[in-house]
Amino acid sequence: AQKITQTQPGMFVQEKEAVTLDCTYDTSDPSYGLFWYKQPSSGEMIFLIYQGSYDQQNATEGRYSLNFQKARKSANLVISASQLGDSAMYFCAMREGLSTGGFKTIFGAGTRLFVKA
Amino acid sequence: EPEVTQTPSHQVTQMGQEVILRCVPISNHLYFYWYRQILGQKVEFLVSFYNNEISEKSEIFDDQFSVERPDGSNFTLKIRSTKLEDSAMYFCASSEHGQGTDTQYFGPGTRLTVL
Repeated sequence: AQKITQTQPGMFVQEKEAVTLDCTYDTSDPSYGLFWYKQPSSGEMIFLIYQGSYDQQNATEGRYSLNFQKARKSANLVISASQLGDSAMYFCAMREGLSTGGFKTIFGAGTRLFVKA
Repeated sequence: EPEVTQTPSHQVTQMGQEVILRCVPISNHLYFYWYRQILGQKVEFLVSFYNNEISEKSEIFDDQFSVERPDGSNFTLKIRSTKLEDSAMYFCASSEHGQGTDTQYFGPGTRLTVL
């Protein structure tokens, strides 16, 4: 079974508009963390935002916010006021077993975002 | 802002040759990781390393792979006898701690091409 599912292989958004990138996850571990990374065409992986399973509030980081719905096991990334530089691949990722020292990050397949001028 | 660095940015090698990919993690980080991303596919965990030991490894990380922290700053991934299917982008990452809210910060990657 897929641990991280990103159902949108590609998304288009108009510059200055908001966009939501979907992510659902599967775990039975009560202690886990959810991450979003951005991968521009140059290839590097840029950390964007983190949400812990016990966090009461949704994480926000500048124009990025994470819509965390624990019961639905979803962790959608919302980018507000899209910019041309936001065009990139976006990966949702999870680490399990944080209370027992989970080390590996499991990545989804990614969503390629295209921002139109 | 401190960052993870990797060298070389691109490595081309012949099948069967040994390659060493180098990484300099963020200086106060204690946990180190290697991931790989085959072109067009998802990022896959290879190994984590702490206190000069492997703390976790995936099924991909077989006997042809090894990791080492040869000095206080470098962290290396060695592939002993490269295969065509080892062609991928290899990412090094580091984190200050190994758990909790700790974020893994990734380097820019080394693109390995095996001919």
